Amino acid sequence: GEDVEQSLFLSVREGDSSVINCTYTDSSSTYLYWYKQEPGAGLQLLTYIFSNMDMKQDQRLTVLLNKKDKHLSLRIADTQTGDSAIYFCAESTNDYKLSFGAGTTVTVRA
Amino acid sequence: KAGVTQTPRYLIKTRGQQVTLSCSPISGHRSVSWYQQTPGQGLQFLFEYFSETQRNKGNFPGRFSGRQFSNSRSEMNVSTLELGDSALYLCASSLEKGGEKLFFGSGTQLSVL
Repeated sequence: GEDVEQSLFLSVREGDSSVINCTYTDSSSTYLYWYKQEPGAGLQLLTYIFSNMDMKQDQRLTVLLNKKDKHLSLRIADTQTGDSAIYFCAESTNDYKLSFGAGTTVTVRA
Repeated sequence: KAGVTQTPRYLIKTRGQQVTLSCSPISGHRSVSWYQQTPGQGLQFLFEYFSETQRNKGNFPGRFSGRQFSNSRSEMNVSTLELGDSALYLCASSLEKGGEKLFFGSGTQLSVL
């Protein structure tokens, strides 16, 4: 089955690291994604990880995948005010669609 | 390279009317997917098309339909609109497979009065 869960809110101080967590249930997931949505905009693909990887780093972003626990996290280093947005975790299987979590609203305070 | 283009950006309709939304994928992308986003239900999958064929459909009533043209452009139609159809409708494209590296448009915000 498909069920992706995320915490709903995260508040972080500018310059600190943010960590957003996500759990999923479908063990046949092929790719796992992180998307960012700013107010009034569509979804921006931030990064993704293939299910046979443990970690992926892309500039300020680090994705960690624990396949045994079905746990995915996104770490944003040196969080800036422009990182304030809603972040969605999503999984894909082999049925041509993504299943999304409810989204984590990240607020960056000065 | 131009991104995914959706038109119109905003739409206001009344109950019972029908609406058609349009999506142009990234050049070279052959898969187009549609998602509905609402505050209550979040992001819900509507359908996915590849080479003019629908490969998967989400759990929506038959009032929701779509199609894809030979140039990969896609349209979705909602007939007999209900208040609950008010949502942001997002189109996404990918090279070959809906569910793999989707790039989203800015969406069409539909309000049903």
